[in-house]
Amino acid sequence: DIQMSQSPSSLSASVGDRVTITCRASQSISTYLNWYQQKPGKAPKLLIYAASSLESGVPSRFSGSGSGTDFTLTISSLQPEDPASYYCQQSYSTPFTFGGGTKVEI
Amino acid sequence: QLQLQESGPGLVKPSETLSLTCTVSGGSISGSTYYWGWIRQPPGKGLEWIGSIYYSGSTYYNPSLKSRVTVSVDTSKNQFSLKLSSVTAADTAVYYCARHRARSPLNYWGQGILVTVSS
Repeated sequence: DIQMSQSPSSLSASVGDRVTITCRASQSISTYLNWYQQKPGKAPKLLIYAASSLESGVPSRFSGSGSGTDFTLTISSLQPEDPASYYCQQSYSTPFTFGGGTKVEI
Repeated sequence: QLQLQESGPGLVKPSETLSLTCTVSGGSISGSTYYWGWIRQPPGKGLEWIGSIYYSGSTYYNPSLKSRVTVSVDTSKNQFSLKLSSVTAADTAVYYCARHRARSPLNYWGQGILVTVSS
């Protein structure tokens, strides 16, 4: 199985701050890396797919980068509606695996 | 707009079989290139992919659960189902159904259903 690790596990930032979350795969996954946002009591919502492609309807302050084993999700200017847990997921091979999540607070 | 909705018992006894159904509306489950999957999330914990099925019936399971999992599809009802046998308290989780393509993200999700394993 491909192991996905995320850091940090949690962070606190202020409105307007730039926030960066990293995700590392245990082996190369090319750009088969996706990012989700999950708010309490809700299903995960796709933000970024194929490492850097923005899902339709997602604000442009969210961006993704990376390839191979190292990836980054960036929120360019944290907004009051952005507190949530963020998960990376590899879709390179089954079993699909997720990172442990990053809880973002304001 | 595609919608997915999980249904099934919210309480299952230990050693019994958990059975859930995902009803798809706004699109056909028989649409080619789509896979239909199950993901779970124990309370306060992260996400775990359980398995997926192609509309033709081909299945892909997480090896950690493979011996206990069956995913099936009923194209006539536009539904797919999950069966997880011999459940324990560790199987208590919110169970989500979702759609994806090969090597692609889970881009449509159901709202999730909490299943508690308890006597």
